[in-house]
Amino acid sequence: ELKVEQNPLFLSMQEGKNYTIYCNYSTTSDRLYWYRQDPGKSLESLFVLLSNGAVKQEGRLMASLDTKARLSTLHITAAVHDLSATYFCAVDMGKIIFGKGTRLHILP
Amino acid sequence: DTGVSQDPRHKITKRGQNVTFRCDPISEHNRLYWYRQTLGQGPEFLTYFQNEAQLEKSRLLSDRFSAERPKGSFSTLEIQRTEQGDSAMYLCASSLGDSRDTQYFGPGTRLTVL
Repeated sequence: ELKVEQNPLFLSMQEGKNYTIYCNYSTTSDRLYWYRQDPGKSLESLFVLLSNGAVKQEGRLMASLDTKARLSTLHITAAVHDLSATYFCAVDMGKIIFGKGTRLHILP
Repeated sequence: DTGVSQDPRHKITKRGQNVTFRCDPISEHNRLYWYRQTLGQGPEFLTYFQNEAQLEKSRLLSDRFSAERPKGSFSTLEIQRTEQGDSAMYLCASSLGDSRDTQYFGPGTRLTVL
Protein backbone atom coordinates (compact mmCIF):
# COMPACT_ATOMS: atom_id res chain seq x y z
CA GLU A 1 0.00 0.00 0.00
CA LEU A 2 1.27 3.46 -0.87
CA LYS A 3 1.34 5.48 2.34
CA VAL A 4 2.75 8.77 3.52
CA GLU A 5 2.67 9.36 7.25
CA GLN A 6 3.34 12.65 8.97
CA ASN A 7 4.19 13.08 12.60
CA PRO A 8 2.92 14.90 14.54
CA LEU A 9 -0.51 15.75 13.12
CA PHE A 10 -0.96 18.67 15.50
CA LEU A 11 1.71 20.84 17.03
CA SER A 12 1.37 23.83 19.28
CA MET A 13 4.59 25.57 20.08
CA GLN A 14 5.86 28.86 21.39
CA GLU A 15 7.59 31.49 19.35
CA GLY A 16 11.33 31.18 19.38
CA LYS A 17 11.39 27.41 19.78
CA ASN A 18 12.72 24.84 17.33
CA TYR A 19 10.83 21.81 16.17
CA THR A 20 10.83 19.09 13.51
CA ILE A 21 8.03 17.54 11.48
CA TYR A 22 8.63 14.02 10.19
CA CYS A 23 7.41 12.43 6.98
CA ASN A 24 7.74 8.68 6.41
CA TYR A 25 6.72 6.93 3.22
CA SER A 26 6.19 3.34 2.26
CA THR A 27 7.87 2.83 -1.14
CA THR A 28 11.16 3.86 -2.67
CA SER A 29 11.08 7.36 -4.08
CA ASP A 30 13.52 10.17 -4.67
CA ARG A 31 10.92 12.86 -5.24
CA LEU A 32 9.43 14.47 -2.18
CA TYR A 33 7.63 17.76 -1.76
CA TRP A 34 6.68 20.03 1.11
CA TYR A 35 3.71 22.38 0.93
CA ARG A 36 2.14 24.96 3.17
CA GLN A 37 -1.61 25.56 3.36
CA ASP A 38 -3.27 28.44 5.22
CA PRO A 39 -6.90 28.04 6.32
CA GLY A 40 -9.28 28.33 3.40
CA LYS A 41 -6.42 28.74 0.94
CA SER A 42 -4.73 26.57 -1.63
CA LEU A 43 -1.31 24.98 -1.35
CA GLU A 44 1.97 26.80 -1.66
CA SER A 45 5.07 24.87 -2.66
CA LEU A 46 7.91 25.14 -0.16
CA PHE A 47 10.52 22.59 -1.24
CA VAL A 48 11.14 19.94 -3.89
CA LEU A 49 13.69 17.31 -2.79
CA LEU A 50 15.04 15.11 -5.56
CA SER A 51 17.92 13.05 -4.21
CA ASN A 52 19.19 11.23 -1.18
CA GLY A 53 20.78 13.67 1.21
CA ALA A 54 19.11 16.69 -0.37
CA VAL A 55 18.80 19.63 1.99
CA LYS A 56 17.03 22.88 1.21
CA GLN A 57 16.52 25.94 3.36
CA GLU A 58 14.28 28.96 3.07
CA GLY A 59 14.20 31.38 5.96
CA ARG A 60 13.36 29.54 9.16
CA LEU A 61 12.44 26.31 7.36
CA MET A 62 14.83 23.57 6.36
CA ALA A 63 13.89 20.31 4.66
CA SER A 64 15.96 17.18 4.18
CA LEU A 65 15.51 13.81 2.51
CA ASP A 66 16.89 10.39 3.38
CA THR A 67 15.71 8.03 0.66
CA LYS A 68 17.24 4.96 2.28
CA ALA A 69 15.26 5.53 5.46
CA ARG A 70 12.25 6.76 3.42
CA LEU A 71 12.17 9.79 5.67
CA SER A 72 12.02 13.53 5.22
CA THR A 73 12.13 16.17 7.90
CA LEU A 74 10.95 19.77 7.97
CA HIS A 75 12.82 21.68 10.65
CA ILE A 76 11.56 24.97 12.02
CA THR A 77 14.09 27.26 13.63
CA ALA A 78 13.07 29.99 16.09
CA ALA A 79 9.41 29.77 15.14
CA VAL A 80 7.38 32.92 14.56
CA HIS A 81 3.60 33.31 14.53
CA ASP A 82 3.51 33.80 10.75
CA LEU A 83 4.56 30.18 10.30
CA SER A 84 1.25 28.96 11.72
CA ALA A 85 -0.31 26.83 8.96
CA THR A 86 -0.80 23.24 7.89
CA TYR A 87 2.26 21.62 6.35
CA PHE A 88 1.96 18.69 3.96
CA CYS A 89 4.57 16.38 2.60
CA ALA A 90 3.88 14.52 -0.63
CA VAL A 91 5.82 11.75 -2.34
CA ASP A 92 5.89 10.64 -5.96
CA MET A 93 5.39 6.89 -5.80
CA GLY A 94 4.17 6.52 -9.36
CA LYS A 95 1.40 8.87 -8.39
CA ILE A 96 1.73 11.68 -5.90
CA ILE A 97 0.55 10.74 -2.42
CA PHE A 98 0.05 13.36 0.28
CA GLY A 99 0.32 12.95 4.01
CA LYS A 100 -2.54 14.03 6.26
CA GLY A 101 -0.75 17.24 7.14
CA THR A 102 0.68 18.73 10.31
CA ARG A 103 -1.36 21.55 11.74
CA LEU A 104 1.13 23.94 13.31
CA HIS A 105 0.02 26.61 15.76
CA ILE A 106 2.64 28.98 17.04
CA LEU A 107 1.78 30.86 20.18
CA PRO A 108 3.05 34.41 20.60
CA ASP B 1 1.17 35.31 -15.84
CA THR B 2 -1.19 35.21 -12.90
CA GLY B 3 -0.79 31.56 -12.00
CA VAL B 4 -3.20 28.65 -12.11
CA SER B 5 -6.84 29.68 -12.23
CA GLN B 6 -9.96 27.63 -11.58
CA ASP B 7 -13.58 28.30 -12.33
CA PRO B 8 -15.97 28.37 -10.62
CA ARG B 9 -14.58 28.96 -7.15
CA HIS B 10 -17.73 27.65 -5.51
CA LYS B 11 -20.45 25.34 -6.76
CA ILE B 12 -23.58 24.24 -4.96
CA THR B 13 -25.62 21.57 -6.67
CA LYS B 14 -28.30 19.07 -5.92
CA ARG B 15 -27.63 15.36 -5.76
CA GLY B 16 -27.91 13.76 -9.17
CA GLN B 17 -26.89 16.82 -11.15
CA ASN B 18 -23.82 17.01 -13.35
CA VAL B 19 -21.10 19.59 -12.72
CA THR B 20 -18.06 20.68 -14.70
CA PHE B 21 -15.01 22.52 -13.44
CA ARG B 22 -12.36 24.28 -15.45
CA CYS B 23 -8.65 24.72 -14.79
CA ASP B 24 -6.31 27.04 -16.67
CA PRO B 25 -2.70 26.16 -15.93
CA ILE B 26 0.29 28.45 -16.10
CA SER B 27 1.03 28.93 -19.78
CA GLU B 28 3.72 26.62 -21.17
CA HIS B 29 3.24 24.17 -18.31
CA ASN B 30 2.99 20.71 -19.80
CA ARG B 31 1.71 18.84 -16.77
CA LEU B 32 -1.68 19.34 -15.20
CA TYR B 33 -2.95 17.56 -12.10
CA TRP B 34 -6.34 17.22 -10.44
CA TYR B 35 -6.72 16.54 -6.71
CA ARG B 36 -9.60 16.35 -4.28
CA GLN B 37 -9.30 17.56 -0.71
CA THR B 38 -11.79 17.07 2.09
CA LEU B 39 -11.74 18.93 5.38
CA GLY B 40 -8.80 18.04 7.58
CA GLN B 41 -7.19 15.77 4.99
CA GLY B 42 -4.38 16.05 2.51
CA PRO B 43 -5.13 16.32 -1.20
CA GLU B 44 -5.94 13.01 -2.91
CA PHE B 45 -4.59 12.47 -6.40
CA LEU B 46 -7.26 12.06 -9.08
CA THR B 47 -5.51 12.24 -12.42
CA TYR B 48 -2.84 14.01 -14.40
CA PHE B 49 -2.10 15.03 -17.98
CA GLN B 50 1.11 15.42 -19.89
CA ASN B 51 0.06 17.88 -22.58
CA GLU B 52 -3.24 16.44 -23.86
CA ALA B 53 -2.54 12.84 -22.81
CA GLN B 54 -4.13 11.55 -19.62
CA LEU B 55 -1.39 9.38 -18.12
CA GLU B 56 -2.72 8.22 -14.78
CA LYS B 57 -6.09 7.90 -13.11
CA SER B 58 -6.71 7.12 -9.48
CA ARG B 59 -9.14 4.42 -8.47
CA LEU B 60 -10.91 7.29 -6.71
CA LEU B 61 -11.92 8.48 -10.15
CA SER B 62 -15.05 6.42 -10.61
CA ASP B 63 -16.96 6.12 -13.85
CA ARG B 64 -18.88 9.24 -12.88
CA PHE B 65 -15.72 11.33 -13.12
CA SER B 66 -14.07 12.32 -16.36
CA ALA B 67 -11.30 14.75 -17.16
CA GLU B 68 -10.11 16.18 -20.43
CA ARG B 69 -7.37 18.44 -21.67
CA PRO B 70 -8.22 18.60 -25.34
CA LYS B 71 -5.58 20.98 -26.63
CA GLY B 72 -3.00 20.54 -23.94
CA SER B 73 -3.89 23.86 -22.33
CA PHE B 74 -6.95 24.16 -20.07
CA SER B 75 -8.58 21.12 -18.53
CA THR B 76 -12.09 20.23 -17.42
CA LEU B 77 -13.23 17.85 -14.71
CA GLU B 78 -16.81 16.62 -14.96
CA ILE B 79 -18.74 14.79 -12.30
CA GLN B 80 -21.93 13.10 -13.40
CA ARG B 81 -24.84 12.21 -11.12
CA THR B 82 -23.24 13.93 -8.14
CA GLU B 83 -23.48 12.37 -4.71
CA GLN B 84 -23.14 13.98 -1.30
CA GLY B 85 -19.82 12.22 -0.87
CA ASP B 86 -18.47 14.24 -3.80
CA SER B 87 -18.55 17.39 -1.67
CA ALA B 88 -14.95 18.54 -1.42
CA MET B 89 -12.42 21.06 -2.66
CA TYR B 90 -11.19 20.19 -6.14
CA LEU B 91 -7.67 21.43 -6.72
CA CYS B 92 -5.80 21.80 -9.97
CA ALA B 93 -2.03 22.15 -10.22
CA SER B 94 0.40 22.53 -13.07
CA SER B 95 4.11 22.06 -13.55
CA LEU B 96 6.54 22.82 -16.31
CA GLY B 97 7.77 19.31 -17.03
CA ASP B 98 7.66 16.14 -14.99
CA SER B 99 7.33 15.47 -11.28
CA ARG B 100 10.78 16.87 -10.60
CA ASP B 101 9.32 20.32 -11.14
CA THR B 102 7.41 22.42 -8.65
CA GLN B 103 3.66 22.06 -8.81
CA TYR B 104 1.74 25.32 -8.64
CA PHE B 105 -1.75 24.99 -7.25
CA GLY B 106 -4.84 26.92 -8.19
CA PRO B 107 -7.29 28.34 -5.65
CA GLY B 108 -9.60 25.34 -5.95
CA THR B 109 -13.29 24.82 -6.62
CA ARG B 110 -15.37 24.07 -3.55
CA LEU B 111 -18.23 21.72 -4.41
CA THR B 112 -21.21 21.27 -2.11
CA VAL B 113 -23.73 18.60 -3.03
CA LEU B 114 -27.06 18.97 -1.25
